[in-house]
Amino acid sequence: DAGVTQSPTHLIKTRGQHVTLRCSPISGHKSVSWYQQVLGQGPQFIFQYYEKEERGRGNFPDRFSARQFPNYSSELNVNALLLGDSALYLCASSLEQSSGNTIYFGEGSWLTVV
Amino acid sequence: GQQLNQSPQSMFIQEGEDVSMNCTSSSIFNTWLWYKQDPGEGPVLLIALYKAGELTSNGRLTAQFGTTRKDSFLNISASIPSDVGIYFCAGPGNAGGTSYGKLTFGQGTILTVHP
Repeated sequence: DAGVTQSPTHLIKTRGQHVTLRCSPISGHKSVSWYQQVLGQGPQFIFQYYEKEERGRGNFPDRFSARQFPNYSSELNVNALLLGDSALYLCASSLEQSSGNTIYFGEGSWLTVV
Repeated sequence: GQQLNQSPQSMFIQEGEDVSMNCTSSSIFNTWLWYKQDPGEGPVLLIALYKAGELTSNGRLTAQFGTTRKDSFLNISASIPSDVGIYFCAGPGNAGGTSYGKLTFGQGTILTVHP
């Protein structure tokens, strides 16, 4: 069975541009969360979506947005990119919205902003 | 907000040695999770702990949920080169309440194992 899949795996963007990152959860999982991991730090929670609704939001500016589709896949959008947005963006899925023990992470999308 | 502090920040050990690392929190947690992250990959869950005092093993790994519910410990016995990586502790975002899928992570412990 496929795990959490993310695309693209690597990308380079210029300051001010927009980026869309995509995530497909494990089959049957209804909850998708997004995390930002800056080099040398632990992942930081950005969003959680469950049944296509936003259920949690971390301390990130409004330039960050996300959505979940009927098939439970998700997109993370970041507008007006800054150099500090360079990071590994991780997607995680779980069966339900409060399943701390069954959160599975994808391999991430490496974003470099130049 | 909630913070998790891990120590040590990094460890350099010889193959075969045992390893201990810990994680402390400013808030009480109902669940403690330990993840390992290899270079270029996402975190992988190693052990989950659900009640104070719980001691759980996964092969050579053993983790404990501290009795104060504000700390947790991870031990690795007889380390091998493939144990190299970054180890993170994590807990649900709303300690004592519904987690809504948010995890708070520590800063990580970088483990290097010399053959």
